Amino acid sequence: EPEVTQTPSHQVTQMGQEVILRCVPISNHLYFYWYRQILGQKVEFLVSFYNNEISEKSEIFDDQFSVERPDGSNFTLKIRSTKLEDSAMYFCASRRTENYGYTFGSGTRLTVV
Amino acid sequence: GIQVEQSPPDLILQEGANSTLRCNFSDSVNNLQWFHQNPWGQLINLFYIPSGTKQNGRLSATTVATERYSLLYISSSQTTDSGVYFCAVNSGNTPLVFGKGTRLSVIA
Repeated sequence: EPEVTQTPSHQVTQMGQEVILRCVPISNHLYFYWYRQILGQKVEFLVSFYNNEISEKSEIFDDQFSVERPDGSNFTLKIRSTKLEDSAMYFCASRRTENYGYTFGSGTRLTVV
Repeated sequence: GIQVEQSPPDLILQEGANSTLRCNFSDSVNNLQWFHQNPWGQLINLFYIPSGTKQNGRLSATTVATERYSLLYISSSQTTDSGVYFCAVNSGNTPLVFGKGTRLSVIA
C-alpha cells in the first residue's frame, strides 16, 4: 500500500534555528497538508497546498512558516526561527482528490531546546 | 467551523472486553475517518467511513450521516489496541478537523 514518507523522524534544534521538515506524498495525490500535534493535545491543521500554491492556512501558520513543493515529489515545511512552543509532532498528509480520505505520514517529532 | 466531540475521553478495559467509541459532529460532512495513534505517535488510518458500516477484523465502524455521529466498535480488545483513537471530519475542500480523541488503555 502506498505511503506518505516523512523525514527525519526526530529532530532536535536550538531555539532560533531554521528547520526543514520533509515529506514525500503518494505519487498520484493532488492535495497536500501539514498538521501538528503538541504533546498530549489534538491534531491541528496548519496548511493545505494544491496546484502549487497554498489553498488554506490556519492562524497557527504565521510568517515564520512556509511550504514548498520544490521538485514535484517532495513537499517541505520550513520553520524560519524556531521557538520553544514549536516543539510538537508534525504530520504530512496527502489525498488524491476531495472525494478520498487523507493518508498521513508517520510524523516528525521536533524538539526545540 | 465544524466541531467534533468524542466520548468517552478515557476508557480502561480488561483484555477481551468490547467497547464503543462515539464521535459527534456539528455539520454535514462528506469525509469521516477514524485513526489510531500508537505509542510511537503514528496515526494509523482505521476507516474512511463518511456513511454506512465497515468491518476490519475485530474493529467495525458505523456512520449515520443524517444524525451526525459515528461509532467505532472494538471487540475482544487486546493490549495492542491501547492508544488514542481520533475521529476526523471534513466537507469538500475544507481541512480535516480532529476531535480530542479517546484514550484507551487495555490491561491484561
